[in-house]
Amino acid sequence: QVQLQESGPGLVKPSETLSLTCTVSGGSIKSYYWSWIRQPPGKGLEWIGYIYYSGSTDYNPSLKSRLTISIDTSKSQFSLKLSSVTAADTAIYYCARVFSGWTSVFDYWGQGTLVTVSS
Amino acid sequence: DIQMTQSPSSLSASVGDRVTITCRASQGISNYLAWYQQKPGKVPKLLIYAASTSQSGVPSRFSGSGSGTDFTLTINSLQPEDVAIYYCQKYNSAPLTFGGGTKVEIK
Repeated sequence: QVQLQESGPGLVKPSETLSLTCTVSGGSIKSYYWSWIRQPPGKGLEWIGYIYYSGSTDYNPSLKSRLTISIDTSKSQFSLKLSSVTAADTAIYYCARVFSGWTSVFDYWGQGTLVTVSS
Repeated sequence: DIQMTQSPSSLSASVGDRVTITCRASQGISNYLAWYQQKPGKVPKLLIYAASTSQSGVPSRFSGSGSGTDFTLTINSLQPEDVAIYYCQKYNSAPLTFGGGTKVEIK
């Protein structure tokens, strides 16, 4: 059973960089796409971006200028960096596995981590 | 970008009722449409992809239909454990986009 676990600071100051890591266990990180999705408290879901195990990425255009997603297959981890954060970036951040290259839906999710942007 | 609009935004129905949720795309997306269930305080769960293909383990009372711009999620015989917010998601091309959600409650 594939498991994903997000880790990183729960509080980030405005204008700083939000950094999160997702650790994959119970299955291989190879041959899949891996994604970040966020959900502001009490609101809906927003796709952030995804990365293939080879390192190729695709980002939400609304976040692209501030976003970097990277992967370390040797550690079975992928990471998110979002720069110049504001209160609007406060959300639960989920990492998820993409079902397949042709079916970009999310079949396994981490438990989510709440990141609050505040001074 | 293609927008996904769900209706209604919330509904209340009795146990055993048939419930239908609609998702409309602003442009045609063929059958590249998925449905998720998010129970209170929980992680979203994939129910259906390719508009009508059920994910493994999903109860048979959940079904999806549609193609192009109009899609539906149907819950036959609503159960108390189906209380949740349901989201559609299009995936024909990036950016992947979710609908605003439909909150289902028991009357």
